[in-house]
Amino acid sequence: DAGITQSPRYKITETGRQVTLMCHQTWSHSYMFWYRQDLGHGLRLIYYSAAADITDKGEVPDGYVVSRSKTENFPLTLESATRSQTSVYFCASMGHIYEQYFGPGTRLTVT
Amino acid sequence: AQSVSQHNHHVILSEAASLELGCNYSYGGTVNLFWYVQYPGQHLQLLLKYFSGDPLVKGIKGFEAEFIKSKFSFNLRKPSVQWSDTAEYFCAAHTGNQFYFGTGTSLTVIP
Repeated sequence: DAGITQSPRYKITETGRQVTLMCHQTWSHSYMFWYRQDLGHGLRLIYYSAAADITDKGEVPDGYVVSRSKTENFPLTLESATRSQTSVYFCASMGHIYEQYFGPGTRLTVT
Repeated sequence: AQSVSQHNHHVILSEAASLELGCNYSYGGTVNLFWYVQYPGQHLQLLLKYFSGDPLVKGIKGFEAEFIKSKFSFNLRKPSVQWSDTAEYFCAAHTGNQFYFGTGTSLTVIP
């Protein structure tokens, strides 16, 4: 199916563990984004990618790592999860005229 | 740093009431503006966008927004809300390669 998907949809992990959130889009959009959504903060940009092998930091990149070896995939890794990283994570891709298409989100709980 | 402010955190309206949600952005240069909606349990969807031209833009589901450059504002309006408009609404600004979102306004429409 065309669109943007995220996996897993829900994840519980322990402090200190490495976690990878997956994002896949079928449109071949060049730009992809990772946001976290927290109460009182709205959506904050973590990282974005302009194309395969091109990534850059957003507003809140600390504690996160991204890669983009293929245009359609943009995984986000928490190298050593902390409780402050408990959040809902949204991936998005950008089509024409700056319109973003969002995935369904991953709810991550760090215990 | 750029920022987007949404002054109304939670709005409760009766059906058929008029809606206006405030949005202000801080960037003084060229900026593209958006309103997104997130219905309960769903991902974010684009309501409308402004790039240039007519400062009054119309979006889906009867929503419109007015760009007032002198006030750095991009308020969202709807003449008559419906119960199905209950959702979270996010204003966003795009400059360069980054997007900045407001903290969101939760709208509850009472039948």
